[in-house]
Amino acid sequence: QITLKESGPTLVKPTQTLTLTCTFSGFSLTTSGVGVGWIRQPPGKALEWLAVIYWNDDKRYSPSLKSRLTITQDTSKNQVVLTMTNMDPVDTATYYCAHFRGVYDWYYYYWYMDVWGKGTTVTVSS
Amino acid sequence: EIVLTQSPGTLSLSPGERATLSCRASQSVPGSYLAWYQQKPGQAPRLLMSGASSRATGIPDRFSGSGSGTDFTLTISRLEPEDFAVYYCHQYGASPPHTFGQGTKLEIK
Repeated sequence: QITLKESGPTLVKPTQTLTLTCTFSGFSLTTSGVGVGWIRQPPGKALEWLAVIYWNDDKRYSPSLKSRLTITQDTSKNQVVLTMTNMDPVDTATYYCAHFRGVYDWYYYYWYMDVWGKGTTVTVSS
Repeated sequence: EIVLTQSPGTLSLSPGERATLSCRASQSVPGSYLAWYQQKPGQAPRLLMSGASSRATGIPDRFSGSGSGTDFTLTISRLEPEDFAVYYCHQYGASPPHTFGQGTKLEIK
């Protein structure tokens, strides 16, 4: 059974750096066709895809946030860490980590999220 | 970036009725790589459908997905009380960002 759990601060100040950890079980991030990534949801708003790291340590970021995001993995701990710099009140949201499943088609993987963590709420305020 | 527009924004129906939710893309979604998620208040999204029409594990067969190119549909044949929620479409065929629609709220009439 695949499970993921997000952890990190619930409150950060503007301009600070946010560090979130996703601890997962039930799969290995060294298995081909597997990824772990982050999606966020501001209160009452839609979902926003942020970043993903794949089994081969390849990484992808949302272009609009790329300069502020870093995603890394610690395979020994079954953890993926997302850092977001220069936090602003508009970054207030629930942050979800998710298991990404790759569909291999014509020499390329197509990735969707099949299992999500419960999310962690982050408020940015002074 | 592919923009997904869902309609209607809110759908008011009664249990037992049929629900039809639409997701339109600003350009063709490669390979029909489109997913649908259900989200209930205070919960994480749950995968319903991938590849436009493949039900995820454990999803009842009253849920069905269809479409290709720029037009996709999620149909719930007979609404159960637990189906009232917000539904999001998500395209993953193009290069990141893998965008979401703005959601359709399915509410009890």
